[in-house]
Amino acid sequence: QQQVKQSPQSLIVQKGGISIINCAYENTAFDYFPWYQQFPGKGPALLIAIRPDVSEKKEGRFTISFNKSAKQFSLHIMDSQPGDSATYFCAATEGRGSEKLVFGKGTKLTVNP
Amino acid sequence: NAGVMQNPRHLVRRRGQEARLRCSPMKGHSHVYWYRQLPEEGLKFMVYLQKENIIDESGMPKERFSAEFPKEGPSILRIQQVVRGDSAAYFCASSPRLAGVTGELFFGEGSRLTVL
Repeated sequence: QQQVKQSPQSLIVQKGGISIINCAYENTAFDYFPWYQQFPGKGPALLIAIRPDVSEKKEGRFTISFNKSAKQFSLHIMDSQPGDSATYFCAATEGRGSEKLVFGKGTKLTVNP
Repeated sequence: NAGVMQNPRHLVRRRGQEARLRCSPMKGHSHVYWYRQLPEEGLKFMVYLQKENIIDESGMPKERFSAEFPKEGPSILRIQQVVRGDSAAYFCASSPRLAGVTGELFFGEGSRLTVL
């Protein structure tokens, strides 16, 4: 059972465009939602994260939008650059009492020059 | 401050052999996690350890897999009698605080196991 569903599986965007990756979850106990970025041959690295009491969080060109009632959240990459080409994973955790991060299957983003 | 160190980066084993994967967490980090990544899949939680203690092994297969984090030395993920389905990238992560609270894990570059 996939607890965090991520789409699309792959995404191709032109330089300067907006990249949008969506995730949905069912478990209402999830209370922290990080996004990880992974380059080929490397381990994932935390990009940005949000708690469900906030509807939006922005860090530079990266923005998380969160819709608690719909149990959906998304990552927007503004002014996408070729250096943003990587695989992006959304994740969720139940917070205290659970040390597991549950990851989506990932979105491979390619930004063409 | 060196990152999470994993070795070997690549490991090839024949069916039935044993695989040992090692992980040294970042300095000052006492929480260690192992995740497995299959092709076209996200990362799957396997086990969470603190020094000399397995805290949560709910993601570990019941047989052939074991993990430890001794008082001295790196954390070890051990896979006995490997099968082709064990071929995957195994990532170790560490955290200075409970990851369930912060959601932040510091990952190593992974150990890629290929079973022939």
